[in-house]
Parts: sequence; structure tokens; C-alpha cells
Amino acid sequence: GEDVEQSLFLSVREGDSSVINCTYTDSSSTYLYWYKQEPGAGLQLLTYIFSNMDMKQDQRLTVLLNKKDKHLSLRIADTQTGDSAIYFCAESIDSNYQLIWGAGTKLIIKP
Amino acid sequence: ETGVTQTPRHLVMGMTNKKSLKCEQHLGHNAMYWYKQSAKKPLELMFVYSLEERVENNSVPSRFSPECPNSSHLFLHLHTLQPEDSALYLCASSQDVGAEQYFGPGTRLTVT
Repeated sequence: GEDVEQSLFLSVREGDSSVINCTYTDSSSTYLYWYKQEPGAGLQLLTYIFSNMDMKQDQRLTVLLNKKDKHLSLRIADTQTGDSAIYFCAESIDSNYQLIWGAGTKLIIKP
Repeated sequence: ETGVTQTPRHLVMGMTNKKSLKCEQHLGHNAMYWYKQSAKKPLELMFVYSLEERVENNSVPSRFSPECPNSSHLFLHLHTLQPEDSALYLCASSQDVGAEQYFGPGTRLTVT
């Protein structure tokens, strides 16, 4: 069945790059999303990539998609304390309007 | 501020209580969603409404009852809940079903 997997935690030092990884199983995904959830707040769409793209860059964020391996990553350059949050990977599938969600990766920033 | 508001932000209720969660979107969207978020688990889609018609009900227990009186408002009526229903309940809206979703801040529900 459809499944999206992420590590539950990632710890990085302030100023370093963070790379959050996600794997998915359904090869018919159309869009893949990264959402950010800060404490006490709802989910905020950070960025997304269409499935026929390999890479998308937006300021400090770089999304890489390896469709062959069904692997998606989010790189945050120069990680700041304000980046502390839970990051969710989600995919939409062509035949279904539902989003398939990962469990979220909590990004912990060390000083 | 995403344009989707939810009230209350926190709710504690006993198992015999009846309460309602409210969601309002100010984005002119046609679709609205209820999700349940439990710790360390993927988001669970509960209900989807498109133009006030329910289009999806993912095997949600009948103690959760949605209501969509118009395209801007969505309610989730709760009665005789169980402690395992304690979670963050998120509302989202999108221009149409399948389009990019915008989320509210959620209601943190605790059932005692």
C-alpha cells in the first residue's frame, strides 16, 4: 500500500546544513510536499516539487527528488534556531486527491 | 497567519461530554478537511468536504460528526469520546479538492 517514511528526529548544530529525508512507495505520485509545523502552530507549506523535477531551490531550501529510488530530501542551509520544528513529507497521487503523510521529523538545533 | 482559524485552541472534555470544534477559512476555498494528528504517527484524514458536500469519510467512528453549513465553515461535533481520541485536530482548506492545502493551528483535545 501507500506509505511515506521519515526518521523521527534530526539533530544539527546551528549554522550547519540540515538534511531531512523521506521515502515513499507509490510511483504514481504527482506532487511531493514539505510542510513545517512549529510548536503550537498548524502545518505550513514550505515547498513542493512536481514529480518530473529533480531539484528545486528556494532561498535556504533545496529539495531533491530521486524518483528511481523514491527518495525525497529537504536541505536547509545555515540552520537557525527558528528552523526548530517538525517537518512533514507528503505526497499526492494522481488517482487520489488525498495526501499521504509521513510521521514527521523533529529538527533539533544545538547551539 | 494562513487564513484558516480554529477554535478552541485547547479543549479538555470528559467522556460523557458533547463539544464542537470550529474551523473557518477566509480564503474563498471550496474544499475543507479534518485531520487527526497523534504523536509520532502520520496525519489521518478524517473528513473531506467539497462545496458543502461530504466527499470522503475515512472510517471514522460515529462519535465524530462533521458539519459543513457553508464553504467557509466546518465543524466537528464530538460526543462520548474515548481517551485514545486525545490528539491535535487540524482543519485545512484548499481551492478545490486535491489542490494545495492550507492548515489551521489545530485544536489540542484531551479526553479525560
